[in-house]
Amino acid sequence: GAVVSQHPSRVICKSGTSVKIECRSLDFQATTMFWYRQFPKQSLMLMATSNEGSKATYEQGVEKDKFLINHASLTLSTLTVTSAHPEDSSFYICSARVGLAAGELFFGEGSRLTVL
Amino acid sequence: GIQVEQSPPDLILQEGANSTLRCNFSDSVNNLQWFHQNPWGQLINLFYIPSGTKQNGRLSATTVATERYSLLYISSSQTTDSGVYFCAVSTSGTYKYIFGTGTRLKVLA
Repeated sequence: GAVVSQHPSRVICKSGTSVKIECRSLDFQATTMFWYRQFPKQSLMLMATSNEGSKATYEQGVEKDKFLINHASLTLSTLTVTSAHPEDSSFYICSARVGLAAGELFFGEGSRLTVL
Repeated sequence: GIQVEQSPPDLILQEGANSTLRCNFSDSVNNLQWFHQNPWGQLINLFYIPSGTKQNGRLSATTVATERYSLLYISSSQTTDSGVYFCAVSTSGTYKYIFGTGTRLKVLA
């Protein structure tokens, strides 16, 4: 299957700082990537759809100024959590879709963010 | 939006037992995937199955799109099968994948 790499896997930061998470498709080009958030013992919640060369589409209730998404190339999407607060602590997972439309999703390893 | 419900929410099995996990969805979908989330959080692709039946070793899956459900069968379960199983569906028009509520499986030695 296709390989998606996410970095960093764990990050601890102080309240008020910004954190950037990278998501790379290693062996295919991904015009669309998706960012999910997962709280303990819960399902994955879609945050936003990242499209190469255009603005991300955010799900209802997700603050676009808090969670900045950039998809600058066909193999890289980044999520920046700005002015992080303890309530932003969570597991963030990216995924990339192979092909167009309803193609198969492959996921990165996830990034566990802890804001102190 | 579409609702995706999985059952049962929790399942405990003795090693060697068989099980069936169910995924119900409230609207038409154009794709469906099954994932296994391991204890480290990694999502492992199990099946890409918009319709029909597929098998991979001890696992098999069936999707009946017209009746809005999919089933994941695990035979001869092993302790390494423990974790959370998710189905995720995408709908025509949005092509976003929405995750189900998950089934937490524990296989005892």
